[in-house]
Amino acid sequence: GAGVSQSPSNKVTEKGKDVELRCDPISGHTALYWYRQSLGQGLEFLIYFQGNSAPDKSGLPSDRFSAERTGGSVSTLTIQRTQQEDSAVYLCASSLAGYNEQFFGPGTRLTVL
Amino acid sequence: QKEVEQDPGPLSVPEGAIVSLNCTYSNSAFQYFMWYRQYSRKGPELLMYTYSSGNKEDGRFTAQVDKSSKYISLFIRDSQPSDSATYLCAILPLSGSARQLTFGSGTQLTVLP
Repeated sequence: GAGVSQSPSNKVTEKGKDVELRCDPISGHTALYWYRQSLGQGLEFLIYFQGNSAPDKSGLPSDRFSAERTGGSVSTLTIQRTQQEDSAVYLCASSLAGYNEQFFGPGTRLTVL
Repeated sequence: QKEVEQDPGPLSVPEGAIVSLNCTYSNSAFQYFMWYRQYSRKGPELLMYTYSSGNKEDGRFTAQVDKSSKYISLFIRDSQPSDSATYLCAILPLSGSARQLTFGSGTQLTVLP
């Protein structure tokens, strides 16, 4: 079966531009997570969706970051007015409701010039 | 103090060696423990998951948890060059709405042929 997929795999953008990153979770997984992995900070939680509940946005670093999940499946993470410090690998994970194991996608490597 | 501390290494061992990877955590609310393996430029891959003190074995891998000292370990027996990767410990609280993983910084392992 297919795992978590993310697109694009790499994204290079200029400072100040907006970017959209996409995550397609494992079929049937109702929980979806976004994390960010950078050299200095390690792997950090950004946002969590569970079914139709309001998302847990407690990890978003600023209001330039937002995410949505349409139809309980695909999710898009949007970063507005990108800054150089946003350069990182953005990872998406999904899990079954009530299960703790989270399965990660390959990530999107974002470079802000 | 970080919630999860992990020796970043790098760790270099000869093929066939026993490898010990360790993490400590500070919050006793953490009750679920996972080990992920991450190859270069790939997403983290779930290796082991446990929630009780003691040992859990899966092939050449053994996860060990000591809740009294808030110490978790991953042992790799008969290490192979294909085990060369970054190993991340990750923990979850027992309950509550927060379902995001808190990660250690990762230990980079190289197994030399």
